[in-house]
Amino acid sequence: QKEVEQDPGPLSVPEGAIVSLNCTYSNSAFQYFMWYRQYSRKGPELLMYTYSSGNKEDGRFTAQVDKSSKYISLFIRDSQPSDSATYLCAMRMGYQKVTFGIGTKLQVIP
Amino acid sequence: DSGVTQTPKHLITATGQRVTLRCSPRSGDLSVYWYQQSLDQGLQFLIQYYNGEERAKGNILERFSAQQFPDLHSELNLSSLELGDSALYFCASSVGERSDQPQHFGDGTRLSIL
Repeated sequence: QKEVEQDPGPLSVPEGAIVSLNCTYSNSAFQYFMWYRQYSRKGPELLMYTYSSGNKEDGRFTAQVDKSSKYISLFIRDSQPSDSATYLCAMRMGYQKVTFGIGTKLQVIP
Repeated sequence: DSGVTQTPKHLITATGQRVTLRCSPRSGDLSVYWYQQSLDQGLQFLIQYYNGEERAKGNILERFSAQQFPDLHSELNLSSLELGDSALYFCASSVGERSDQPQHFGDGTRLSIL
């Protein structure tokens, strides 16, 4: 079993929809949670970074962490074609290496 | 633009060969991280260097090695290449030594083994 599970998709949604991206993890020692966005032929870029359980909002993006269920989510409101990319969840414990999910490919259709 | 430069962008070679991938970190960043990304495994951490010294090791094969030079650029050497080594190789950099600091990724080197 992988430490971090993420559905690779692809996920296709119409423009303007609310997108929900999710990851589950097995290691309860993970403390820090991140979401990266990766456009085709580009490197990942950090979107959101959270530490505690609960929600963190940044513009159209909301990151949610539920440590009791070992479940994290990224919500994208009013999705745009420019949001089409692969979204990778990532997490780490303390100052250890970052462990990434496999990524979910999202396509927002105009 | 992340400020991290990787060369070459594409590399095609044959099994058994050796290649060197190069990374120039963002100005001011002292840490360099190497990752391998494949379709089935996702992004896997290989190794980290900080100011010229190895700091952390991940799932790096013995056939692979890396170093960071005094000017802070880094090279990843892959030898005795196998078909399974075909992947995207990313370099990332950060200011400090600790993994809690944001990592900035380059656009990767796509390695194809024929």
